[in-house]
Amino acid sequence: DADVTQTPRNRITKTGKRIMLECSQTKGHDRMYWYRQDPGLGLRLIYYSFDVKDINKGEISDGYSVSRQAQAKFSLSLESAIPNQTALYFCATSDQGVDTQYFGPGTRLTVL
Amino acid sequence: KNEVEQSPQNLTAQEGEFITINCSYSVGISALHWLQQHPGGGIVSLFMLSSGKKKHGRLIATINIQEKHSSLHITASHPRDSAVYICAVSSYSGAGSYQLTFGKGTKLSVIP
Repeated sequence: DADVTQTPRNRITKTGKRIMLECSQTKGHDRMYWYRQDPGLGLRLIYYSFDVKDINKGEISDGYSVSRQAQAKFSLSLESAIPNQTALYFCATSDQGVDTQYFGPGTRLTVL
Repeated sequence: KNEVEQSPQNLTAQEGEFITINCSYSVGISALHWLQQHPGGGIVSLFMLSSGKKKHGRLIATINIQEKHSSLHITASHPRDSAVYICAVSSYSGAGSYQLTFGKGTKLSVIP
């Protein structure tokens, strides 16, 4: 089984809908991250969490919110989806004091 | 904020050719990462470097800290090497955590 899983893998939705993307990990890592990837751009950080009680905004947090329900689960929500949030979204994890991150398989989100 | 530049953006090679992908960054880092993103979207870590050179199979990664430059080499390239190669640099952000800044990626296509 994969160490970092994301659900759903693909999602098509309409403008204005609320969407939740979920990430689970079995690596026992404290740190979890949400990134988005757009064609021609590098991965950009949306939010990150050092532990269950710690949530931090990344480079492009506007229009997104997150919830760290447990050490192993980190969810990303789009409260009111808009077309320019169409992108590939990745969850990643890392261990404290280590800078290697482990990526989930990605969620392809299309907002019509 | 660290700026990460990769070149070339796109690369097409014949099977068997020696391939080089370059990465430059603007400020000091704790480590540099080379990642591979397969056509299906998944991202895997190939190397983490803080100095010198690392080799894994047909892949070789080098870094020159003084020049703020790294190269990824692929010897005897094969069509299965076709992927997007991403350079990322990590900087310590406090509390035992590191932030990653990503390049835009180099899309490699190896033709039989």
